[in-house]
Amino acid sequence: NAGVTQTPKFRVLKTGQSMTLLCAQDMNHEYMYWYRQDPGMGLRLIHYSVGEGTTAKGEVPDGYNVSRLKKQNFLLGLESAAPSQTSVYFCASSYRGLAGGPDTQYFGPGTRLTVL
Amino acid sequence: AQTVTQSQPEMSVQEAETVTLSCTYDTSESDYYLFWYKQPPSRQMILVIRQEAYKQQNATENRFSVNFQKAAKSFSLKISDSQLGDAAMYFCAYYSGANSKLTFGKGITLSVRP
Repeated sequence: NAGVTQTPKFRVLKTGQSMTLLCAQDMNHEYMYWYRQDPGMGLRLIHYSVGEGTTAKGEVPDGYNVSRLKKQNFLLGLESAAPSQTSVYFCASSYRGLAGGPDTQYFGPGTRLTVL
Repeated sequence: AQTVTQSQPEMSVQEAETVTLSCTYDTSESDYYLFWYKQPPSRQMILVIRQEAYKQQNATENRFSVNFQKAAKSFSLKISDSQLGDAAMYFCAYYSGANSKLTFGKGITLSVRP
């Protein structure tokens, strides 16, 4: 049981390049999330998904796209990377808890992305 | 929109002593949950404790407990018998039952003096 994994762990891009971050979970969780963490800002929600085939915008969605074609995978795409997207990206997943409440969010180890 | 405020950027505690980390939040919802997460230098996010808003009893997990003041919208974390391994960044987080979103505070860096 690997939990939540993220690929890659580190990446350096040039401005304008594109890339996809992959998040995978083997816990059969319904909910999946993408966050970014910047110094002094805490974690901010980019996009999230409450089930296979569904996605929704979070707090800072601009410049990112996501897809959830399979329940266990949640992809985060940057079509044209900008230096402002330099950050650490975290994926998380959770069950939909009883009575609609949240179960614990399990986090991946993070991806450090630098855009030059 | 909900907001979570952690006003203290840093705190320090002597090993074996007790420390309290403060957190306030703003919401008009009645269905929500509150969390404290720990992030050590490894960057891994670790759940410390959770509190359901509808429960009056404060949550406790071993050396970690919370003081949940619903009317004051305050959710502080108390760490008893502090250990060197408690040194980390701690994040307070609010989960909205209406939209399934988790909102984090900016975090507080806790150092533990031997």
